[in-house]
Amino acid sequence: GAVVSQHPSRVICKSGTSVKIECRSLDFQATTMFWYRQFPKQSLMLMATSNEGSKATYEQGVEKDKFLINHASLTLSTLTVTSAHPEDSSFYICSARVLTGTGVRPQHFGDGTRLSIL
Amino acid sequence: QKEVEQDPGPLSVPEGAIVSLNCTYSNSAFQYFMWYRQYSRKGPELLMYTYSSGNKEDGRFTAQVDKSSKYISLFIRDSQPSDSATYLCAMSLYNQGGKLIFGQGTELSVKP
Repeated sequence: GAVVSQHPSRVICKSGTSVKIECRSLDFQATTMFWYRQFPKQSLMLMATSNEGSKATYEQGVEKDKFLINHASLTLSTLTVTSAHPEDSSFYICSARVLTGTGVRPQHFGDGTRLSIL
Repeated sequence: QKEVEQDPGPLSVPEGAIVSLNCTYSNSAFQYFMWYRQYSRKGPELLMYTYSSGNKEDGRFTAQVDKSSKYISLFIRDSQPSDSATYLCAMSLYNQGGKLIFGQGTELSVKP
């Protein structure tokens, strides 16, 4: 259980293009989803926290007009990188929290989207 | 000083060895502790989670938390080449909406 599906897995596009990445919780409802960015050989950097039905909370230094997040349902959150430039090239990963029987809510991650802007 | 410190390695061991991965943290308010495994070009996979001091075992994996020393460990017994990956520790506060603070990750290589 607790499967998170992320699509697409790989995107290559020209500078100036907007790119949408989808994150779905397949077998559970996720009131909270998270978006991360990861550079090679580095740990995950939290970009924003997405709560269903409300505006996302962005981490300091993350441009909310650049990285648009929509969490319209309990199973789907989307990240749109607007007018992408080469410096936006990165590995983007989403996660969703699931409630366990002990009350702990660990995050389960998607398999990431490798974005390359030419 | 980072909130969570983890030796980045790389760590190379022979097949069958016991592996010990460690993280230290500075914020005594952390309540939940997790270990993730990340293969190259994949998202992190949850291995273990706990919210109390002590040991938790799952197959070849044992997670250990020592809140008094602000130290967590992951032990892998009878390590296999398929265990070769980057291991990330993560922790969170009780009332911060589930936000995780990650260690830098330790790159592990198990040689056959």
